[in-house]
Amino acid sequence: GAGVSQSPRYKVAKRGQDVALRCDPISGHVSLFWYQQALGQGPEFLTYFQNEAQLDKSGLPSDRFFAERPEGSVSTLKIQRTQQEDSAVYLCASSLAGLAITYEQYFGPGTRLTVT
Amino acid sequence: AQRVTQPEKLLSVFKGAPVELKCNYSYSGSPELFWYVQYSRQRLQLLLRHISRESIKGFTADLNKGETSFHLKKPFAQEEDSAMYYCALLLKTSYDKVIFGPGTSLSVIP
Repeated sequence: GAGVSQSPRYKVAKRGQDVALRCDPISGHVSLFWYQQALGQGPEFLTYFQNEAQLDKSGLPSDRFFAERPEGSVSTLKIQRTQQEDSAVYLCASSLAGLAITYEQYFGPGTRLTVT
Repeated sequence: AQRVTQPEKLLSVFKGAPVELKCNYSYSGSPELFWYVQYSRQRLQLLLRHISRESIKGFTADLNKGETSFHLKKPFAQEEDSAMYYCALLLKTSYDKVIFGPGTSLSVIP
C-alpha cells in the first residue's frame, strides 16, 4: 500500500538549467495535482490532471513550466531555464475524485528544488 | 476573489491548555472547508473536513458562515499536536480544486 511518491526528494540546479520532477500517484487515482510551496507559505495550485487530460493549468507561473501525465498514471513537472524564484517545495497529490466529487487528496513527500 | 487567511503564523500554548487556530475565508459560493496538518518530517495529510462534523485527535472545527470562519479547536493541547496546520477551501469548479491558507505553526510547550 504505497502512497504517493516523488523523486528526486532534493534537487539543486544552477540558474538556467532544466529540471524534471516526477510523481507516482496512488494506483487507480484519477486526479493528480501539482502544487508549489514557497518557504513559509501554504501550497499554491499549479495544475490538475484527470487521468491523462490536463484540465487546468491556470496556476503555472510561466511558460517555462510544463506538466504531463501521458498514460494517466505517472506525472512529470518540467521547469525550463530555472530561475531563483523557482526555489520551492513542489508537492504532488492524488485523489480518487472525478468531476465534482469530493475526495481526500493524498500528498507526496515533495521535491525541494533549490536554484543557485 | 476566493481566499483563505490564517492570521497567526506561529502559535505557542502550554500542554493541557486550550488551543484555537484561526481561519477565515472569502468565497461567493457555498463553502466546503478542511484542515490539513503536517507533522515534522511527515507529509501533508487531511485532519478533518467540516461536512463530516467529526472530531479527529480531539480537534473540532465549526463553520461559521456569518463570520466566514472555520477555526480549529482543541480543549487540551498535547505535545504531539505540534505541527503546521493549513486551512483549505474547496472551490466548486468542475473538479475538486482546493486553495490553501498560509498555515499556522503550532508549538505545544511541555
